[in-house]
Amino acid sequence: DAGITQSPRHKVTETGTPVTLRCHQTENHRYMYWYRQDPGHGLRLIHYSYGVKDTDKGEVSDGYSVSRSKTEDFLLTLESATSSQTSVYFCAISGNRGRYGNSPLHFGNGTRLTVT
Amino acid sequence: KNEVEQSPQNLTAQEGEFITINCSYSVGISALHWLQQHPGGGIVSLFMLSSGKKKHGRLIATINIQEKHSSLHITASHPRDSAVYICAVGETSGSRLTFGEGTQLTVNP
Repeated sequence: DAGITQSPRHKVTETGTPVTLRCHQTENHRYMYWYRQDPGHGLRLIHYSYGVKDTDKGEVSDGYSVSRSKTEDFLLTLESATSSQTSVYFCAISGNRGRYGNSPLHFGNGTRLTVT
Repeated sequence: KNEVEQSPQNLTAQEGEFITINCSYSVGISALHWLQQHPGGGIVSLFMLSSGKKKHGRLIATINIQEKHSSLHITASHPRDSAVYICAVGETSGSRLTFGEGTQLTVNP
């Protein structure tokens, strides 16, 4: 299995507080993604990265920011958490053959975030 | 925008049955992925394909590019196959990966 670790696995926080989720990979893959998974919506892309310090927005990026200061780490930050950001967050990585779809995806185990 | 539709949404089968899950999409793609997610668990990539057919153990995935349709088959199903199966497509434009909502499969002993 691809080496991807998400932390924390579970998080409960209050509305208005900042939250940072971490994704760490040991595969040296170029592409890293943050998705959220909600009932009735499937997986939706929040942000992705195509290299160190190279990031771009996905379809549901409002309220989220990311940073990638080194190849192995991709951080997702909720600057001021809201109840609508209660979700399960998945990090994924893929190899160097394309931004989407052209390389196998490997997912982390997810982070369950509850905003009260 | 690519629309990805999976059917059925829910499927219950008896152990040993042959199972088919379908995925249809609306625009040209570079590749299609089948993913598996067990309850409370992570997401595992089963197949990535852009043409023809792939087989891994009891799982078979096929794709018909002209008809914009893919199927995932499970032969001799087993309770441990119970999971959500997700189809995802990467568009030829290379701009995004679109996911279906998943098919919940339950295999009873």
